[in-house]
Amino acid sequence: EDQVTQSPEALRLQEGESSSLNCSYTVSGLRGLFWYRQDPGKGPEFLFTLYSAGEEKEKERLKATLTKKESFLHITAPKPEDSATYLCAVRGGGSQGNLIFGKGTKLSVKP
Amino acid sequence: GAGVSQSPSNKVTEKGKDVELRCDPISGHTALYWYRQSLGQGLEFLIYFQGNSAPDKSGLPSDRFSAERTGGSVSTLTIQRTQQEDSAVYLCASSPAQNQPQHFGDGTRLSIL
Repeated sequence: EDQVTQSPEALRLQEGESSSLNCSYTVSGLRGLFWYRQDPGKGPEFLFTLYSAGEEKEKERLKATLTKKESFLHITAPKPEDSATYLCAVRGGGSQGNLIFGKGTKLSVKP
Repeated sequence: GAGVSQSPSNKVTEKGKDVELRCDPISGHTALYWYRQSLGQGLEFLIYFQGNSAPDKSGLPSDRFSAERTGGSVSTLTIQRTQQEDSAVYLCASSPAQNQPQHFGDGTRLSIL
């Protein structure tokens, strides 16, 4: 069964304190790993797609990496506006299109 | 451009009533998905439409749930005889094709009294 586990559940950082969020996955035939950002009361906002081990994507202070078992979302010198819940999802080979989501990491960045 | 639009944004109803939730996908997107997000839980897949193909209904939790997509655009998710455990945020997403990133609406927050 395809499964996604995110850690930690919650993370508190001071502004400028870099850290990483983890997404461990078990999937039959990975066809994409996706990172989303979700603000309270809003739908998930697409950040990155990674398809193969070794791939990396960057956007502003965020960098996503992928291995055969997990993905990391690195946050460099975060700002308070980076506070949100970050969701990881995978699409497996048996999927017709739907994503399997983790429960997310709630990030709080204090000034 | 316009994103995925969902209505209503909030819905409060009594147990046993039927509800209809609407999703307007991004224009030109052939794939449309419904998910459910319960408090403290991850997003749970419900149903997937791709063009004119038969929908993937494998995520629907019971036969009280159904969905349709008219003209390859607007979709309606219907929940009959609502139960308290149906309370959740129902999210709709669309993508240009099956393997493209999904773009989400802001959801309908459904509360069953």
